[in-house]
Amino acid sequence: TAGITQAPTSQILAAGRSMTLRCTQDMRHNAMYWYRQDLGLGLRLIHYSNTAGTTGKGEVPDGYSVSRANTDDFPLTLASAVPSQTSVYFCASSEETTDTQYFGPGTRLTVL
Amino acid sequence: GQNIDQPTEMTATEGAIVQINCTYQTSGFNGLFWYQQHAGEAPTFLSYNVLDGLEEKGRFSSFLSRSKGYSYLLLKELQMKDSASYLCAAMDSNYQLIWGAGTKLIIKP
Repeated sequence: TAGITQAPTSQILAAGRSMTLRCTQDMRHNAMYWYRQDLGLGLRLIHYSNTAGTTGKGEVPDGYSVSRANTDDFPLTLASAVPSQTSVYFCASSEETTDTQYFGPGTRLTVL
Repeated sequence: GQNIDQPTEMTATEGAIVQINCTYQTSGFNGLFWYQQHAGEAPTFLSYNVLDGLEEKGRFSSFLSRSKGYSYLLLKELQMKDSASYLCAAMDSNYQLIWGAGTKLIIKP
């Protein structure tokens, strides 16, 4: 079982460009999440989705958008990247019975 | 506001025991999670507590006191592979996780 996959593994992006970070899970979890992780800070929630067709804003949603067309995929889009969006991005999904979140391997994004 | 506090860094010796503390303040409470994160990797689930008391899982144990807003992760018989960051996260009333910044654990031979 693959669990959660993310693509790309890493990316260098020019400021002002757009980019979509991909996330796919094969565990049939309803809930999915996007976090960013910066040195010295805890994981911060960007957006989440409790089930296909619904999304919600987390702690730091500005500059990011998401969609949830189906259960498996939860892409994160940066419409116009800025250097402050340089970070490691983790996608996660959670099982309903325990709310335990399982993480993808992450995408390291550098915006120059 | 919501807040999680845990030490930034701890050092311990191989074979010893270490306790990593975490205090939390959240709007509502639906459980306390501990995750392990090796450098450059994703967080992986270690434990979940929602009731007061100690949960033991092999070399790792986790304790929760809801009245004190306090948890700890206890690691016994430390191995070099336990060198990692340990993340404490509390689930609030909206079932969202509030994360601490993590405790970097350094194991010395």
